[in-house]
Amino acid sequence: EPEVTQTPSHQVTQMGQEVILRCVPISNHLYFYWYRQILGQKVEFLVSFYNNEISEKSEIFDDQFSVERPDGSNFTLKIRSTKLEDSAMYFCASSVTGEGQPQHFGDGTRLSIL
Amino acid sequence: EDQVTQSPEALRLQEGESSSLNCSYTVSGLRGLFWYRQDPGKGPEFLFTLYSAGEEKEKERLKATLTKKESFLHITAPKPEDSATYLCAGSGSARQLTFGSGTQLTVLP
Repeated sequence: EPEVTQTPSHQVTQMGQEVILRCVPISNHLYFYWYRQILGQKVEFLVSFYNNEISEKSEIFDDQFSVERPDGSNFTLKIRSTKLEDSAMYFCASSVTGEGQPQHFGDGTRLSIL
Repeated sequence: EDQVTQSPEALRLQEGESSSLNCSYTVSGLRGLFWYRQDPGKGPEFLFTLYSAGEEKEKERLKATLTKKESFLHITAPKPEDSATYLCAGSGSARQLTFGSGTQLTVLP
């Protein structure tokens, strides 16, 4: 069964450094998403992406964050200057279409900021 | 602002002891109510989508139902392998999912 894959599974970074999280969505899906889950808290929406542009973003997704689909398969989340509070699990998801369709999640990247 | 609230936070059942998990939602222009299963260290795994009040979906020992304000996940004769965190999420006029905090289910043999 097709699945969303994320790399790396765990990333440890010094505060202030840039980090790029990578995702390969399911191949026939058109909508892509990033969510995060701080330990012990809810899964929170960050951004959605369709047709090579951001379609929606949350208040969390400030100027430190950016997303890109650099080629036909990868979808990346970049954090420019990491803060301690960016430590979380970051999940990538994709869906065939947008509205009302299930989103399928990868197993996440655990980001630890030191 | 969309809100999803799940109860109970944690539930311990004996194997074979049926129960229900609750999800209350306030989602503007609901496009879908989703149930996911999350195992430790893993991403949410899709279980069901419900679109309108009165709808029901079943998969093995799980059945999800939807009313205008709540959704229930009924677990019939659970087994230890059903132990996981079950997440409820709503999608409204914005396509993003708004998640609840989840119910951590433990099924004891």
